[in-house]
Amino acid sequence: QKEVEQNSGPLSVPEGAIASLNCTYSDRGSQSFFWYRQYSGKSPELIMFIYSNGDKEDGRFTAQLNKASQYVSLLIRDSQPSDSATYLCAVNRPSGAGSYQLTFGKGTKLSVIP
Amino acid sequence: DAGITQSPRYKITETGRQVTLMCHQTWSHSYMFWYRQDLGHGLRLIYYSAAADITDKGEVPDGYVVSRSKTENFPLTLESATRSQTSVYFCASSEVGSTGWYQPQHFGDGTRLSIL
Repeated sequence: QKEVEQNSGPLSVPEGAIASLNCTYSDRGSQSFFWYRQYSGKSPELIMFIYSNGDKEDGRFTAQLNKASQYVSLLIRDSQPSDSATYLCAVNRPSGAGSYQLTFGKGTKLSVIP
Repeated sequence: DAGITQSPRYKITETGRQVTLMCHQTWSHSYMFWYRQDLGHGLRLIYYSAAADITDKGEVPDGYVVSRSKTENFPLTLESATRSQTSVYFCASSEVGSTGWYQPQHFGDGTRLSIL
């Protein structure tokens, strides 16, 4: 089982709809979680991070974390064509001796249809 | 302006040549990272550094060499380039909090490297 898994997509949603992006992780000791957006030909940019179980909202974006089920999701409300990008999930997971390493999923490609 | 800059943005070279990719950050972050990104593989960690003169291997270190003599610079060298090293290379930096967790990583714009 891969450490961080994402559906590669593409995920297509109509403009104005809610896009739901999911990420599962295998290491139960994982602690903090990040969502990055990457436009084609560009570098990843941080959208949100979440440490605690529950929801964290920032504008149209909501990150949801469920450590018991080992998944983290990103909801994008009122999706816009400009949200079309690849979304990367990154997980701080233990690497031994009290240290951590950041592991990225392969990303989900989102396409918002006008 | 504070940030992380990579150079060159584009590079074409031939197999067997040595090539160095540069990375410079102005945040004074302790940690710096080199990733490569290829279709179907996502971001893969090549090397990282926790501080000046401290470097460690990532997932795919073979064929690469790094150094970090100053906190702000973290060059990546391909000593004898191979076609399989054609990729997009990203440098990133971050800090580690008191919990030991990585803070968010901030990425440079990337270097698109083609090896013929």
